[in-house]
Amino acid sequence: GENVEQHPSTLSVQEGDSAVIKCTYSDSASNYFPWYKQELGKGPQLIIDIRSNVGEKKDQRIAVTLNKTAKHFSLHITETQPEDSAVYFCAASRANSGYALNFGKGTSLLVTP
Amino acid sequence: KAGVTQTPRYLIKTRGQQVTLSCSPISGHRSVSWYQQTPGQGLQFLFEYFSETQRNKGNFPGRFSGRQFSNSRSEMNVSTLELGDSALYLCASSLATGSDSPLHFGNGTRLTVT
Repeated sequence: GENVEQHPSTLSVQEGDSAVIKCTYSDSASNYFPWYKQELGKGPQLIIDIRSNVGEKKDQRIAVTLNKTAKHFSLHITETQPEDSAVYFCAASRANSGYALNFGKGTSLLVTP
Repeated sequence: KAGVTQTPRYLIKTRGQQVTLSCSPISGHRSVSWYQQTPGQGLQFLFEYFSETQRNKGNFPGRFSGRQFSNSRSEMNVSTLELGDSALYLCASSLATGSDSPLHFGNGTRLTVT
């Protein structure tokens, strides 16, 4: 089955700096790659997603890039703010799997003022 | 628009008992999925329902089951609870099945088995 690896497991940056989280996947049939942000006591919240027919997608300070050949995708957060502090999860799924998302283990991001 | 609602938020059960968790999807959403979140295994897919039919099932024992009602509300049941079933159980909904519509999560039910 699909295996999604996520790095780093923890990341500490200063406010205003950029943060990058990287994920690799094993199933070449995966074609949907969402990113979720989870704050303490809450469920994961979708922040951005990308499909395999697109190489890059941007939404304000958040961007995601996908390299299908290398089977990796990354989350980029620019101009980080303290409220960006949370656990971020990448995930991958294939079109015919219904909605079975395979998640990475998460990255705990801390943005210090 | 109200988000995904899960009840109860917290639950404490004894080993060997059974438990039922409830999920109300976002209005208009017809697909409901369930995930288990633990510190060791992370987020793991349990099953997905669409139009009252189970579309997909993860690698969990038969003690874990679920169902979806005609109003899209869903329940999951865990029988003969084990200590290892202690986890945050997350329900998520989407307009349709498959990755064409984003998955929205509730805040989960925290199950503790003693």
